[in-house]
Amino acid sequence: KAGVTQTPRYLIKTRGQQVTLSCSPISGHRSVSWYQQTPGQGLQFLFEYFSETQRNKGNFPGRFSGRQFSNSRSEMNVSTLELGDSALYLCASSLVFQGPNYGYTFGSGTRLTVV
Amino acid sequence: ELKVEQNPLFLSMQEGKNYTIYCNYSTTSDRLYWYRQDPGKSLESLFVLLSNGAVKQEGRLMASLDTKARLSTLHITAAVHDLSATYFCAVLPSGTYKYIFGTGTRLKVLA
Repeated sequence: KAGVTQTPRYLIKTRGQQVTLSCSPISGHRSVSWYQQTPGQGLQFLFEYFSETQRNKGNFPGRFSGRQFSNSRSEMNVSTLELGDSALYLCASSLVFQGPNYGYTFGSGTRLTVV
Repeated sequence: ELKVEQNPLFLSMQEGKNYTIYCNYSTTSDRLYWYRQDPGKSLESLFVLLSNGAVKQEGRLMASLDTKARLSTLHITAAVHDLSATYFCAVLPSGTYKYIFGTGTRLKVLA
């Protein structure tokens, strides 16, 4: 059974550019969440989607946005990149109603470096 | 503000020794999760604790949950080098779908 797939694995961007990260959840999983991991701030929640609707949003500026498609695949976009956006971005998926009982399954992440 | 605090942040221990990692949280929640992360890798689910008094064991790791005290522990028995990793606890506050993660405990088991 395929896991959560994130692409690309690594990315280097310049300040001011924008970036789009992709996440394909486990087949049948309809809830997709995004997290940012940095050495200084740890793991922080960005947003969660179900059926193309954002149900929860973390405390990030509007430069961070996301969406989910009808096949449950999700993308997140960061515009006007700043050096502080350098991080590991993790995507996680779960079965909607079983999520709390099983937790979320995480992808391998996208390592974004902003120079 | 919702907080999840872990201690210790760093733990260096000898093989064969026992130790406990503590996870305190400030929100009302009956759901507590433990994850492991190896350097440069993603998060691997270890335990899902869903009720007060829940105890789960897998190999040399045992996790427990006391929702009244808002405390979870991850106990390591007779540590081995392969357990070296960073361990995170996470809370899923009631009515939400977002994890609040602890700061993580970086464990290093010395041979």
